[in-house]
Amino acid sequence: DTAVSQTPKYLVTQMGNDKSIKCEQNLGHDTMYWYKQDSKKFLKIMFSYNNKELIINETVPNRFSPKSPDKAHLNLHINSLELGDSAVYFCASSLYVDTQYFGPGTRLTVL
Amino acid sequence: QQPVQSPQAVILREGEDAVINCSSSKALYSVHWYRQKHGEAPVFLMILLKGGEQKGHEKISASFNEKKQQSSLYLTASQLSYSGTYFCGTETAFGSARQLTFGSGTQLTVLP
Repeated sequence: DTAVSQTPKYLVTQMGNDKSIKCEQNLGHDTMYWYKQDSKKFLKIMFSYNNKELIINETVPNRFSPKSPDKAHLNLHINSLELGDSAVYFCASSLYVDTQYFGPGTRLTVL
Repeated sequence: QQPVQSPQAVILREGEDAVINCSSSKALYSVHWYRQKHGEAPVFLMILLKGGEQKGHEKISASFNEKKQQSSLYLTASQLSYSGTYFCGTETAFGSARQLTFGSGTQLTVLP
C-alpha cells in the first residue's frame, strides 16, 4: 500500500497551459504539503494545509493554488505555466508536527 | 530563513565517519533530518526537539544544541547505502512544522 501517492509521475507541457497534480495519502494524517525541488535540489515549501488552515509561502506566485476535496487529498493547480515552473513537485503529509512522509514526486517540464 | 548546512558535499570510503552540520539564525523549536537518494523522495531520519536531546538511528545519530541553534548529524562506519543528499529542516516555533524550512542539502557519497 502506497502511503503518499502522486499522479502523474511525469508531466510535459507547453508554456501558458494550465495543469494539475494530484496527491493522496492513506495514512490518516491531518496535514498535507506541497514542495518544489529545483534543479539545484533546493527543497522549498509551497503550501501546508489541514482541514482548518492553509498556510501559503508568500513567495509562491498566485498562479499556484492547492485544492483539497477532503483530508486525504491535496491537489496542486498551476495556471499559465512558465519555464521557471519546471521542477520536481513533492507532496507530503504528516500528523501535526510529526514525521513528514513524501510522495514519489512529479517531474514537471515546461517547454 | 533557510538554515545553513555544511559541508555542501562530502566523499568518504565505506567504514569512515562523517558529520553534517545545520545552523540557523533563528531560535529553533525542532530540527528534522531527511535523506534523499537520487531520483527518489526524501525519507525521514529523525526529529530532535527543543531540549538538546540526542537521537540515534542504527549508526546514524544527531544532536541538537538549542542555545547555539545548531544540529549535527553523525554517520559512523558509513555504508554504501548512506549515499544521498541529507537535508535538515527547521521549525522555528511550536506548530510551525507545517512550514518546515529546509537547508540546501549535503551530498554524501560513500565509495567502496
